[in-house]
Amino acid sequence: KAGVTQTPRYLIKTRGQQVTLSCSPISGHRSVSWYQQTPGQGLQFLFEYFSETQRNKGNFPGRFSGRQFSNSRSEMNVSTLELGDSALYLCASSRGGGKTGNEQFFGPGTRLTVL
Amino acid sequence: AQSVTQPDIHITVSEGASLELRCNYSYGATPYLFWYVQSPGQGLQLLLKYFSGDTLVQGIKGFEAEFKRSQSSFNLRKPSVHWSDAAEYFCAVGALEYGNKLVFGAGTILRVKS
Repeated sequence: KAGVTQTPRYLIKTRGQQVTLSCSPISGHRSVSWYQQTPGQGLQFLFEYFSETQRNKGNFPGRFSGRQFSNSRSEMNVSTLELGDSALYLCASSRGGGKTGNEQFFGPGTRLTVL
Repeated sequence: AQSVTQPDIHITVSEGASLELRCNYSYGATPYLFWYVQSPGQGLQLLLKYFSGDTLVQGIKGFEAEFKRSQSSFNLRKPSVHWSDAAEYFCAVGALEYGNKLVFGAGTILRVKS
């Protein structure tokens, strides 16, 4: 069974640009969550999508958005990039179903560098 | 709101020695607790999880953790560390009311000396 895949793995952008990251969950998984990992702030929850609906959202500005497609694949978008957006963005998938405690499987991440 | 504290930023142990990584959480009800490991440049791998029931949880790679409600702790242990265990370890807490959102601790970097 294929794991969680994230594309691209590495990305370099300049301030003010926008970026879209993609996540393909494990087959059969309906929940996708996104996390930002930085040396200063650690791992922070961005948002979770389940059955194409945002189910939960972290404390990030509106520049960070996401969506989920009918095949459970998810994208996250960051507009008007800032230097502080440089981070490893991790996607996690789980079966979902409305109960936490479902085991979440993480992808390898997308390393975003903003210059 | 949930929170997780991992008091040790770095820990160094000798190969073959025992290991204990500390984790304290803050949450009013019964939490769901997890330990993840991350190797450099990689994603997170789940080592073990606690939802309910037996407070001593066995995981992969010979790791175990014990949930102690009275101490709000979920410490990770391994009786004999291998050089390949060198990595960063994260404790995380979830809760039914927060869906699949996890709150992570700051992580503990484990170094193994031969």
